[in-house]
Amino acid sequence: DSGVTQTPKHLITATGQRVTLRCSPRSGDLSVYWYQQSLDQGLQFLIQYYNGEERAKGNILERFSAQQFPDLHSELNLSSLELGDSALYFCASSTQGFTGELFFGEGSRLTVL
Amino acid sequence: DQQVKQNSPSLSVQEGRISILNCDYTNSMFDYFLWYKKYPAEGPTFLISISSIKDKNEDGRFTVFLNKSAKHLSLHIVPSQPGDSAVYFCAASARVRSGGSNYKLTFGKGTLLTVNP
Repeated sequence: DSGVTQTPKHLITATGQRVTLRCSPRSGDLSVYWYQQSLDQGLQFLIQYYNGEERAKGNILERFSAQQFPDLHSELNLSSLELGDSALYFCASSTQGFTGELFFGEGSRLTVL
Repeated sequence: DQQVKQNSPSLSVQEGRISILNCDYTNSMFDYFLWYKKYPAEGPTFLISISSIKDKNEDGRFTVFLNKSAKHLSLHIVPSQPGDSAVYFCAASARVRSGGSNYKLTFGKGTLLTVNP
């Protein structure tokens, strides 16, 4: 158990819909990262938050947005969903003095039909 | 632009033998390199890392080697065990900007290791 909690574990929805994925980082971790893993793809970095502030952005589509709340949990919002958005979405957190070690949640598997 | 590449999608070895997983990178600004292991239905877990100023780091059965001139790193597992069967991701980190936790971690596509009893 990494200490990072993601909900829901599985989500099935239709094209054009909007979903929200939720992440609670490890106790004490201020940084939250979102990654997408599609079929035959590695982990694609989407976005990072640190103590409520956006710190780094990766290959995140304009239809996607995220935020980190004062209690440090984070939400990833995916809208106007397309078939190609079907993927595993991982949240991870890290401590300060980060050198690359991330603690990942179990992921949220999104299926868009 | 794939900055971290794992060219072998899969690798199969016999129990007790050595497993060697390879990774190449293109960005000379990476300062830490890591290996993560992922079992099905679980998130990736950190395995071992190496700073860009070192060329070897060992932790039990796991050793990571870094060749900066070739922009290549490898993970050696000796001896391999069936429980090592998993997807192994190579990752590299670079500072996004100064101050705080501003590192970006870039992952390869992973190599599926199967250790046969």
